[in-house]
Amino acid sequence: GDSVTQMEGPVTLSEEAFLTINCTYTATGYPSLFWYVQYPGEGLQLLLKATKADDKGSNKGFEATYRKETTSFHLEKGSVQVSDSAVYFCALSESNNAGNMLTFGGGTRLMVKP
Amino acid sequence: GAVVSQHPSWVICKSGTSVKIECRSLDFQATTMFWYRQFPKQSLMLMATSNEGSKATYEQGVEKDKFLINHASLTLSTLTVTSAHPEDSSFYICSASGSSSYNEQFFGPGTRLTVL
Repeated sequence: GDSVTQMEGPVTLSEEAFLTINCTYTATGYPSLFWYVQYPGEGLQLLLKATKADDKGSNKGFEATYRKETTSFHLEKGSVQVSDSAVYFCALSESNNAGNMLTFGGGTRLMVKP
Repeated sequence: GAVVSQHPSWVICKSGTSVKIECRSLDFQATTMFWYRQFPKQSLMLMATSNEGSKATYEQGVEKDKFLINHASLTLSTLTVTSAHPEDSSFYICSASGSSSYNEQFFGPGTRLTVL
């Protein structure tokens, strides 16, 4: 079955540091890939997505590239801010899966210190 | 656009009571709604998938008689936790997907349930 694996957290960085959160997946078809962010006490918000190989999703300074050859979708940001502290979830959705069911990774908590 | 709301955002109840959580898509028609459960510092666990006008499809290990799901309209789905017990305390999150939102779900803000 489908699965998503993320690096375990917490990841603790100083403000303006470079961020990478690794995500790899296994899927039977050609999935769409997503990064969601969850701020404390809130639901998930879509951060970015990519629907096919070599696509790059980007938003709010974050970016991730859909790498089919390495089955990866690593999240990066060049300079993190304290306000980026949250839990980040990598997820996939099979394009042929009725109902757009999402498979989530375990989440990675990011803590940015001033 | 694509806003999903949940109500209530936080509920505390006594053991043995039933609690209903509403999930609404405010500006689009949600042909499919999903209910997730999230334990502290863990990922989301899909509980069930519901299509408007149909019975919900529950994931393995989720008791359908315990977690009643109704998706009566294209903008509303409800999750009722029946005879709640302390182990049902959790963060419940719904999401909605419309026929035009290919492979994308829009998430509600979540409902924190505490059963005393």
